[in-house]
Amino acid sequence: AQKITQTQPGMFVQEKEAVTLDCTYDTSDPSYGLFWYKQPSSGEMIFLIYQGSYDQQNATEGRYSLNFQKARKSANLVISASQLGDSAMYFCAMREGPGNEKLTFGTGTRLTIIP
Amino acid sequence: DVKVTQSSRYLVKRTGEKVFLECVQDMDHENMFWYRQDPGLGLRLIYFSYDVKMKEKGDIPEGYSVSREKKERFSLILESASTNQTSMYLCASTLTGSYNEQFFGPGTRLTVL
Repeated sequence: AQKITQTQPGMFVQEKEAVTLDCTYDTSDPSYGLFWYKQPSSGEMIFLIYQGSYDQQNATEGRYSLNFQKARKSANLVISASQLGDSAMYFCAMREGPGNEKLTFGTGTRLTIIP
Repeated sequence: DVKVTQSSRYLVKRTGEKVFLECVQDMDHENMFWYRQDPGLGLRLIYFSYDVKMKEKGDIPEGYSVSREKKERFSLILESASTNQTSMYLCASTLTGSYNEQFFGPGTRLTVL
């Protein structure tokens, strides 16, 4: 079974609209962390936001927020007021268990912002 | 500014050649990683290292080896390159601790002819 599932290979969104990128995960470990990265066409991986499994509140970082629904095992990234510069690949990733530094990545979503 | 650098952005090699990909980080991170990225497959972990001279296999180690002689440097070695190793290779590093993100290098696009 896939540990991280991103079901949207590609999305097109009008500039200034909000966008939600889906991510579901699968783990039996009660302690885990969820990460979102952005990869522009230049290829660099840019860390966006982190959510820990024990965090009581949804993480937010500027225009990025994480809609964390633990019971559903989903960690969707929400980008508010999208900009042309948001066009990129977006990856969801998970780290399972304390003392484990490895990340498991999803297959990514290519987001295109339309002017 | 934290930095992870990789020796080449683009590399073209021939089948059967021995290939070295170098990664250096200046953040004193204990942990370093090598991934390959292919369209539709996301990032897959090849090898990682949690200390000098220590290494562990990731999900797809076949055809690769690694070396970590110094804390800041982590090398990926393709002993005998094959065309199915044509890919984007990304190096990353992180501090030990659950909340710490991985920092990535710019990537090396390797083509094996």
